[in-house]
Amino acid sequence: GAVVSQHPSRVICKSGTSVKIECRSLDFQATTMFWYRQFPKQSLMLMATSNEGSKATYEQGVEKDKFLINHASLTLSTLTVTSAHPEDSSFYICSARAAQGTDTQYFGPGTRLTVL
Amino acid sequence: GENVEQHPSTLSVQEGDSAVIKCTYSDSASNYFPWYKQELGKRPQLIIDIRSNVGEKKDQRIAVTLNKTAKHFSLHITETQPEDSAVYFCAASITDMRFGAGTRLTVKP
Repeated sequence: GAVVSQHPSRVICKSGTSVKIECRSLDFQATTMFWYRQFPKQSLMLMATSNEGSKATYEQGVEKDKFLINHASLTLSTLTVTSAHPEDSSFYICSARAAQGTDTQYFGPGTRLTVL
Repeated sequence: GENVEQHPSTLSVQEGDSAVIKCTYSDSASNYFPWYKQELGKRPQLIIDIRSNVGEKKDQRIAVTLNKTAKHFSLHITETQPEDSAVYFCAASITDMRFGAGTRLTVKP
């Protein structure tokens, strides 16, 4: 089956630092990747959609300058949380979709970000 | 944009009973409706999905029904087991996926 990995699984950082999270599709090429944020006991909220080789599309209310997304290849997308603050602490999950016209999204294991 | 509502937020059943979770969506253009099971701290796992050209789909103890006219879809779990305890999310998708708020299912042994 399709496997998506995420790294790191857990990160603790000081306020004001930047954190990069990687999302990789291991056994398929992902034309589209999605980034979600999930606060405790809440649902997954879509942050942005990224297509390989083009700029990400951000959801309303998500700051593109704070959450930098790069989808440089068909197997890798990165999310960089810049100048992180305690309110950015959350569970960040990526997902990948194999090809245009397919529906199924495969989720990564998530990254638990804690900003002190 | 798409808005997905999910009920109930919590559901407690006795082992062996059935569980039903319901979702409604707002955008009639949505054409793909997956259901995910998420255990604490883990990734969502796809358990069943249905597309808009199908009214019902079943996979062993799990079934999903879709009413396009009413814009609602439901998850049915029969013969529940304690290992079914988790948070379940419905979603509706056109090009991107919008999730319901989730249902915490507890199956008591």
